[in-house]
Order: sequence, then structure tokens, then C-alpha cells
Amino acid sequence: DTGVSQNPRHKITKRGQNVTFRCDPISEHNRLYWYRQTLGQGPEFLTYFQNEAQLEKSRLLSDRFSAERPKGSFSTLEIQRTEQGDSAMYLCASSLRDRNTEAFFGQGTRLTVV
Amino acid sequence: KNQVEQSPQSLIILEGKNCTLQCNYTVSPFSNLRWYKQDTGRGPVSLTIMTFSENTKSNGRYTATLDADTKQSSLHITASQLSDSASYICVVSDGNNRLAFGKGNQVVVIP
Repeated sequence: DTGVSQNPRHKITKRGQNVTFRCDPISEHNRLYWYRQTLGQGPEFLTYFQNEAQLEKSRLLSDRFSAERPKGSFSTLEIQRTEQGDSAMYLCASSLRDRNTEAFFGQGTRLTVV
Repeated sequence: KNQVEQSPQSLIILEGKNCTLQCNYTVSPFSNLRWYKQDTGRGPVSLTIMTFSENTKSNGRYTATLDADTKQSSLHITASQLSDSASYICVVSDGNNRLAFGKGNQVVVIP
């Protein structure tokens, strides 16, 4: 499968625990995006990388959230001290730098904080 | 305020019928507009992408239109099938490849 891959698909965690999600983009894509989506809403932008550089972060990305893309390939999104409000689908997308190319999404990681 | 507004929020249609979904946006500058289909619990899948100079683009039974002057787009589904039940998300990209998402049109096709 050469699409965007996200792991795990589902994660249930207790409030206060840390969680980490992984995204493997399409191999030649240099842009990688993270989004959060709650039920009935469209995806909300969190952050994006061009190669290994994190170029933009949303104000939604509180200091409990951190994202990395150390070698410009896969990326991780970590949430520290999870809260119930963090329960959502976390989507990763990748694209080429050309502004008119489409972004391909992964299947998402569904986080439930109990 | 969301820069991409979609209507109707949800609709139910009979299998075989047509429907049209609307998207209005205020994103500026404008680079392109995309329609995605998102099945429940899965990531969005691209249907069409249109730049400023394109008015219409089709992908099978899906036809998207774009009026860049009025900043409106529509997605027309022809001869709907049960598998068309999904959320349809309008996404507008600015010149810096930032993506603004609508909340989606929830379509339910019933037999």
C-alpha cells in the first residue's frame, strides 16, 4: 500500500496519560499535515511540515501537543497529559510542494480519553 | 468565522436520485478548491480539485462546479447509490497551500 499510513488506528487511554501517533506519508511527498476532527465537524488544522521543518502551528496546538518529523519522512504527534477534550480523530495528510497538487489523507487515529 | 461554509448540513435522498451540495468560501488569496468524500471512521478521499480557471470538473457520477467570482462551488451527484452515503467536505487552498475545511455535507442515500 503506497498511501498515507497512520498508526495506531484506535487508541483508548486514561486521562493524564501520554500518547503518541505515527504517520507515514507517501514517500515522495515533502509536505505533511496533521488535523484533528471531532464528530460532525470538518478537520481542523494543527500543524504542517515541509520536509523536516515545522512551518506552521495552529493555536489549537497547545503546549501539551508536540509534533516532529525528524528525517523529513514519517512524523509523530504526541499528546501529553491527555484530557477528555482531546478525544477526536487525528488525521495526517501529505502532498507535494506544488500548491495545486492534492493532499492525500490517512485513515486517521481515533483517540478516546476516558 | 469559518472561511468555508457548506449547505445543506445534511440531506437524505432516495437511491437513484440526484443531489447538489453547496460550498461558499471567503478564503483569499485563492489557489484551488477540492471536494473530498469521507466515509464514517475513515480519512477523506479526494474527488475533484479545481483551480481558478476551471469551471467544471467531473469524476464519474460526481461533477463539481466553481464560480471564482462569486466564490461558490457545488458538487452534483448523479444517480445516487447507497455507497454515496458519506460526508462531502469542501476544502479551499490559499496560495501558500494552507487548507481551509468546511464542516461537510452529510449525505444519506436510502433504498
